[in-house]
Order: sequence, then C-alpha cells, then structure tokens
Amino acid sequence: DGGITQSPKYLFRKEGQNVTLSCEQNLNHDAMYWYRQDPGQGLRLIYYSQIVNDFQKGDIAEGYSVSREKKESFPLTVTSAQKNPTAFYLCASRGDQPQHFGDGTRLSIL
Amino acid sequence: KNEVEQSPQNLTAQEGEFITINCSYSVGISALHWLQQHPGGGIVSLFMLSSGKKKHGRLIATINIQEKHSSLHITASHPRDSAVYICAVDRDKVIFGPGTSLSVIP
Repeated sequence: DGGITQSPKYLFRKEGQNVTLSCEQNLNHDAMYWYRQDPGQGLRLIYYSQIVNDFQKGDIAEGYSVSREKKESFPLTVTSAQKNPTAFYLCASRGDQPQHFGDGTRLSIL
Repeated sequence: KNEVEQSPQNLTAQEGEFITINCSYSVGISALHWLQQHPGGGIVSLFMLSSGKKKHGRLIATINIQEKHSSLHITASHPRDSAVYICAVDRDKVIFGPGTSLSVIP
C-alpha cells in the first residue's frame, strides 16, 4: 500500500547538534510538507515543497532546513539554531487528493 | 483570531454517550479534514469533506459551507475513541485547528 514513512519514531539530540528527520512517500505526490506540534497547540507549517528542487518557508522556518532532490523524499534538518527543538514533527504529502500524513517523529533534547 | 477554531477544547464522556465536536473557520476552503491523534501516536485521517455528510462506522462528519462550520459526531462512544481530534481546512495549504482532547470513561 502507498503511504508516507517517517523515521525514526523517537529521536534524541544533544544540544548544539544538527539532526535530520526522514520523510519518504511512495504515493507519487508532487507536494510535501513538514509541520511541528507543541503540547496543547495546533500543527504549524515549517516548510513545504510543491515540486522537486523547489521549496518554500512556512510559518516557523527559522532554525530548520530542507531539501527536495527526489520526488519521494523531503528530509528536514533541525539545526543548532533552533532554540526549542523538542516537539512532534509531522510530514505530509499531497497529490490530486488532499493530504496524506505520516506517523510523525517525536524529537527530544538530552 | 485563529482561522480554524474548535470546541470544546477538552471533553470527557461516559462510555456509550453521543459526542459532538465542532469546528468553525473563517477562510474559503476547498475541503475540510477531520483527523485523529492518539497519545504519542501519529495522525490518522478520518474524513475529508467538501460538502454534505459522510459516515464511517460510528463516526459521522458534516459540513455547512455557507456557515463555515463542521461537526464530528461519535455514536456509542468507547474508551478506544479517546484521542485528540483535529479539524483542518484545505486551501493552497492546510491550516490546522488546535484540536479537541476527548476522554471516554468506561
């Protein structure tokens, strides 16, 4: 079955380190998205990409970077510049039908 | 004012009760999603609506485009329905509501 795979499900990072979250989809969707969720808050858009080799900042892009070298993959790097990286990160993709969602990655700082 | 609002924010129900969660939005949309998120878990898409009403098992979702309002109903609620329910509207990008935390007590 087609879907979105995020890995790992839980991730721990030391302060000052960059960390990359993986998102892969086999739905042949053009658009992919990264969201962040903090406890008690709604999901907020970090970055999105509507086509390979192109991406745009969302509402809270500071301290994050992305790449879109392949249609299937949209990795998110949480850099050391992100002051409060502990959160739940959700990847989504979209084709002709509205969005599909991954299972998410929960990132914690040690 | 948030573009997508939900009520109630928190809800506790006894097993078997009929539950309604409301969503209102202030922008033009192409579709509306209802999503379910279990504690520590990922997000499952329950419904995508652009008009009318959809039913899946004990879940019913309705939308009134003119009033910019949608409701999610759960009939004969069960403890396994305990989760956060999120309304999201689809435009050129998806805008999420803050979620409604539901706890169903046996």
